[in-house]
Amino acid sequence: AQSVAQPEDQVNVAEGNPLTVKCTYSVSGNPYLFWYVQYPNRGLQFLLKYITGDNLVKGSYGFEAEFNKSQTSFHLKKPSALVSDSALYFCAVRLETGGFKTIFGAGTRLFVKA
Amino acid sequence: SAVISQKPSRDICQRGTSLTIQCQVDSQVTMMFWYRQQPGQSLTLIATANQGSEATYESGFVIDKFPISRPNLTFSTLTVSNMSPEDSSIYLCSVEDGLAGATDTQYFGPGTRLTVL
Repeated sequence: AQSVAQPEDQVNVAEGNPLTVKCTYSVSGNPYLFWYVQYPNRGLQFLLKYITGDNLVKGSYGFEAEFNKSQTSFHLKKPSALVSDSALYFCAVRLETGGFKTIFGAGTRLFVKA
Repeated sequence: SAVISQKPSRDICQRGTSLTIQCQVDSQVTMMFWYRQQPGQSLTLIATANQGSEATYESGFVIDKFPISRPNLTFSTLTVSNMSPEDSSIYLCSVEDGLAGATDTQYFGPGTRLTVL
């Protein structure tokens, strides 16, 4: 079955420290991977996506993600966390079958402490 | 990127009534999507709406309960019919930035927070 897993419900980081939000996937065919962020009482915002090419993808707000095919992972990273990064983060995979449906992970809540 | 607005932003409704949620996009888009999200949880796709055709519903969602209209390329509505407390959720409208390809990015409206008493 095709799926996306975010193994951590919550990640706590001190401001200024690097952060990682983990995502693993299981799909047949080429994986098209996305990260979205949801701030309180707002809709999801696109952060970045991996389609092909360079395994390190840079996105909005200083975030980047590393695609690792052998580990089937697409972890979200940021070198120095800000308190304003505190939000709910969703990893998603776009499927080529079923009308290009998107499957979202369960979400990881990031708390950045000052 | 597309700018999406939804109305209402929130509502409190009595069980047995219906609520229609509007989604307006600032540009023409091929596909629009309706999702349901429990606060702090993941998204569940309700249906996909293409202009000029019937919406395609996901397993567990039916047209009688969630009728959708898509009269043009910038607008769609989702109605939650005969509501029960289990329908309390956040309803999100979403569009794609391309031509329904696998690499398309989705953009989301701010959501409608529905509470059914």
